[in-house]
Amino acid sequence: AQKITQTQPGMFVQEKEAVTLDCTYDTSDPSYGLFWYKQPSSGEMIFLIYQGSYDQQNATEGRYSLNFQKARKSANLVISASQLGDSAMYFCAMREWNFGNEKLTFGTGTRLTIIP
Amino acid sequence: KAGVTQTPRYLIKTRGQQVTLSCSPISGHRSVSWYQQTPGQGLQFLFEYFSETQRNKGNFPGRFSGRQFSNSRSEMNVSTLELGDSALYLCASSLGTGGDRNIQYFGAGTRLSVL
Repeated sequence: AQKITQTQPGMFVQEKEAVTLDCTYDTSDPSYGLFWYKQPSSGEMIFLIYQGSYDQQNATEGRYSLNFQKARKSANLVISASQLGDSAMYFCAMREWNFGNEKLTFGTGTRLTIIP
Repeated sequence: KAGVTQTPRYLIKTRGQQVTLSCSPISGHRSVSWYQQTPGQGLQFLFEYFSETQRNKGNFPGRFSGRQFSNSRSEMNVSTLELGDSALYLCASSLGTGGDRNIQYFGAGTRLSVL
């Protein structure tokens, strides 16, 4: 079974609009972390935002926020006031907190295109 | 503070050859993880090294191996290359504590083409 599901292969959004990228996850571990990464065409994976399973509040980092709904097992990324430079692939990932476990499990990604 | 550095950025090899990729982590990070990214399989975890020991391993054949040095730099080796090994290989470093807010930071990747 897929541990991370991203159902939007591609999205087109007008510049300056807000955009929500969907991510659902599956784990039986009570302790886990959820991550969003951005991958421009150059290939580098850029860390955007993190949410821990025990965090009471949704994470925010500048224009990025994570809409964490634990009961629904969803961790959607919200980008406010989109910019042309936001065009990239976006990956949702999860790490389960077994001791010494660094493994990230990634979703298939969403290709976001910002239209001027 | 320098980021994660991967060398080389591009490689072209032929089937049957072997290849070594290098990764220098962020200063102070003791964990280095390797991932393979292909259009068909997406991002897949290869293995992770911490304090010169392989701590975690993904589901890849034994042709894929790695090591970590005392300065935390890591190398990944692929022997007897196959066409299907063509991919972007990404290295990530982290503190390695495994707990909350232990963020993995990635390098720019090595793009390997096997002809």
